[in-house]
Amino acid sequence: KNEVEQSPQNLTAQEGEFITINCSYSVGISALHWLQQHPGGGIVSLFMLSSGKKKHGRLIATINIQEKHSSLHITASHPRDSAVYICAANSGGSNYKLTFGKGTLLTVNP
Amino acid sequence: GAGVSQSPRYKVAKRGQDVALRCDPISGHVSLFWYQQALGQGPEFLTYFQNEAQLDKSGLPSDRFFAERPEGSVSTLKIQRTQQEDSAVYLCASSHRRDRLAKNIQYFGAGTRLSVL
Repeated sequence: KNEVEQSPQNLTAQEGEFITINCSYSVGISALHWLQQHPGGGIVSLFMLSSGKKKHGRLIATINIQEKHSSLHITASHPRDSAVYICAANSGGSNYKLTFGKGTLLTVNP
Repeated sequence: GAGVSQSPRYKVAKRGQDVALRCDPISGHVSLFWYQQALGQGPEFLTYFQNEAQLDKSGLPSDRFFAERPEGSVSTLKIQRTQQEDSAVYLCASSHRRDRLAKNIQYFGAGTRLSVL
């Protein structure tokens, strides 16, 4: 079992819909990262969080340490949000090494 | 440039050939990471440098993989006697905090896509 699991693996939405991507992890962590990867492009860091909730524009990330679960929400989704969203964790024993989920491929149709 | 730069963007190698992949981190960043991303998978950690010191190479899959950062800036990932299973995207990332124990946002390059035929 991977230390970091994401769901769903693929997600298709219509423009304007509210999107939720989930991430569960099985080890103690010091930080949880959400990243975005466009086809053929590099990875962009969206959020790094250790507790609670962070918001940036239409993106919201939450984490529940007790339940070892994090969610990434996108409000009023747009076709330009189409990308792979990756959850990654700094495991408690190594604050620099990231363990990644397999990613969620999001497609937002106009 | 302002971001992490990797070259080449694409590399096709014949099985058995040696390859060298280059990473130019963001100027001043002390930490540098290499990751391997297979098709349809998330990236996997290969190795970590703090300045010129390679502090963790636990993710390197075999002794055919070698990384260096001799002057604490540019890094090279070398793969000797490439095999088909080495085909992947190789990502480089850098971050700036000196404290190894501190959590840091990592800034990623666009990656080098290696195809071994």
